[in-house]
Amino acid sequence: EAGVVQSPRYKIIEKKQPVAFWCNPISGHNTLYWYLQNLGQGPELLIRYENEEAVDDSQLPKDRFSAERLKGVDSTLKIQPAELGDSAVYLCASSATGGANVLTFGAGSRLTVL
Amino acid sequence: SQQGEEDPQALSIQEGENATMNCSYKTSINNLQWYRQNSGRGLVHLILIRSNEREKHSGRLRVTLDTSKKSSSLLITASRAADTASYFCATLGSNYKLTFGKGTLLTVNP
Repeated sequence: EAGVVQSPRYKIIEKKQPVAFWCNPISGHNTLYWYLQNLGQGPELLIRYENEEAVDDSQLPKDRFSAERLKGVDSTLKIQPAELGDSAVYLCASSATGGANVLTFGAGSRLTVL
Repeated sequence: SQQGEEDPQALSIQEGENATMNCSYKTSINNLQWYRQNSGRGLVHLILIRSNEREKHSGRLRVTLDTSKKSSSLLITASRAADTASYFCATLGSNYKLTFGKGTLLTVNP
């Protein structure tokens, strides 16, 4: 099994440019998460999907961040326009249920905004 | 916002020694999980303990949970250089949101 696949692994952009990250979860996992991890910190939840429905997006900065999970499988997280403070690792994870479950994480997408 | 807080922030030990790291949290939980993150990699789940459990073992890992003190500890016995990583506790709240702490950086010296 491929695990949670994320791309790109690394992205360097100028500020004010757009950027998109893609995630393909483990087959059959209904719940998908996007987390943000700053250097030396733990992951912070941005958005959680149950199938194609965003059930928790309270921490997503909606002025510049957007996410979608069409057909309830893979997902895209977009930032437009990017700011210097967005430099971080964006982690995608998935789990089999929406309850007391265990997350499987992808390797992450490291964003550097210059 | 981060609910769990690990202690210590960093820990350095010799191979073969035991490593203990602690996690404190603020609100009631359904379960508490520990994850490991090697440098530059994603997080890997290690062990889960439910709110009605007090202790759990998995290989060289031992986790305890004290809900009255809102705290947990992770013990790694007979540590190896390959255990060098950051360790995070994560709490699952009543809203089914998994919230991570800031982590403990463990260095095991050969």
